[in-house]
This record gives sequence, C-alpha cells and structure tokens, in this order.
Amino acid sequence: NAGVMQNPRHLVRRRGQEARLRCSPMKGHSHVYWYRQLPEEGLKFMVYLQKENIIDESGMPKERFSAEFPKEGPSILRIQQVVRGDSAAYFCASSPPRGSGPTDTQYFGPGTRLTVL
Amino acid sequence: AQTVTQSQPEMSVQEAETVTLSCTYDTSESDYYLFWYKQPPSRQMILVIRQEAYKQQNATENRFSVNFQKAAKSFSLKISDSQLGDAAMYFCAYRSEAAGNKLTFGGGTRVLVKP
Repeated sequence: NAGVMQNPRHLVRRRGQEARLRCSPMKGHSHVYWYRQLPEEGLKFMVYLQKENIIDESGMPKERFSAEFPKEGPSILRIQQVVRGDSAAYFCASSPPRGSGPTDTQYFGPGTRLTVL
Repeated sequence: AQTVTQSQPEMSVQEAETVTLSCTYDTSESDYYLFWYKQPPSRQMILVIRQEAYKQQNATENRFSVNFQKAAKSFSLKISDSQLGDAAMYFCAYRSEAAGNKLTFGGGTRVLVKP
C-alpha cells in the first residue's frame, strides 16, 4: 500500500511566479491536510479538505493561496505570485474516512521544499 | 485555542541510554488525541506513537513509551536503549474533533545521539 505521495519534492520559483504542489493521499483515504514548515520551526496547519470540499481553511493566508481536492486526481496547493517568505517545506497528510480506520491518525507525505529566488 | 509547548530545544543522549522529551499542552476539551512524530534529516514526518486521552494506560511502541498525565496536561516521550538512528527532531502534536481535526504541533526537540 503506497504511502502519501507528494510532487515535486523540490520546487524553485522566482518571485511573482506560481507554485503548484500536488498530493496523492494513501489509498482509501479521503481526508487531506496541508501544513507548512518554516526553517527551524514546527509544522503549521493550513487547510483541511475532503473530496470536492474545503472543510477548514483557517490556516491559509487570505491572499495568493488556494487549495483543492477534486473528485478525481490529487489535491493541489496553489500559491500565486510567490514571494521569498513563501520559501518553506509544505507537507500533505491524509487520514481515512470515518468508519474505515483510525481517523485520528494522519500519515504524512515526504513534503515539497519550495525555494523562492 | 489549543497550544502545544516543547520546552527543550535540544537533548543529547549516549547510545544505549534513555532520554525523556517533555511536552505540555493547553486545552479545555476532554476528548482528544496526542502524538509524537519524528523528523529525521530526510524531513519525512514519521509517526512514533499515539495516545487517546480517554485511555489511562500509557501507550508503548517497542523502545518508545509515553507518560500521559491528563490532569497536568503533560505528554512526555521516553526513548529507551537509544540508537544512532533515533537522532532527529521530535514533534509533539495535539488533535481533537472539536478543534477541527487539524494537528497542532509543538516547536520540536532535537535529539542528538552520541556513540
């Protein structure tokens, strides 16, 4: 059973460009979470999605950031007009739907390290 | 809002010895989950151990065990018989359904293992 997959693992963008980060949850998982980790800090929650729905986006910056989890395909975290302060590691985690496993446990992907030049 | 505090930025342990990492949290809820995640230099987040708040028995996973003190809101991790591969950042995390299922992380403790 493949784990959570994220790509790309490393992404370099110049200021003003767009960054698209992809996350494929574990097989059978329908809940996806995105977290951001700045250097030397812990992970901070950004957004929680289920298929075709944003459940909680309280951790997302109000501008330039968006996320989706379509019916088919991976979840996408999109950052428009990137700035140097967006440089960080972005982690995706997934958990199973209710009734099919320990929904309280989130399993993490390897992360995408975004560098903005 | 829930907060998680790890007061030890770095801990050093001799190989084969035991080290304990502290974690405290603040919440008004009674039903929640606590986790310890390990982040080695590869930066992959690896689940080490989990604890349900309604269970009084402390969780154990091989050489890893926790001391869960619900009244004190304390959740420490003990690593026994430390190995070189245990060297990593360790993050304590809190999750509750009432708080929206998201994980709230502490700032992390770096564990160094001396051969």
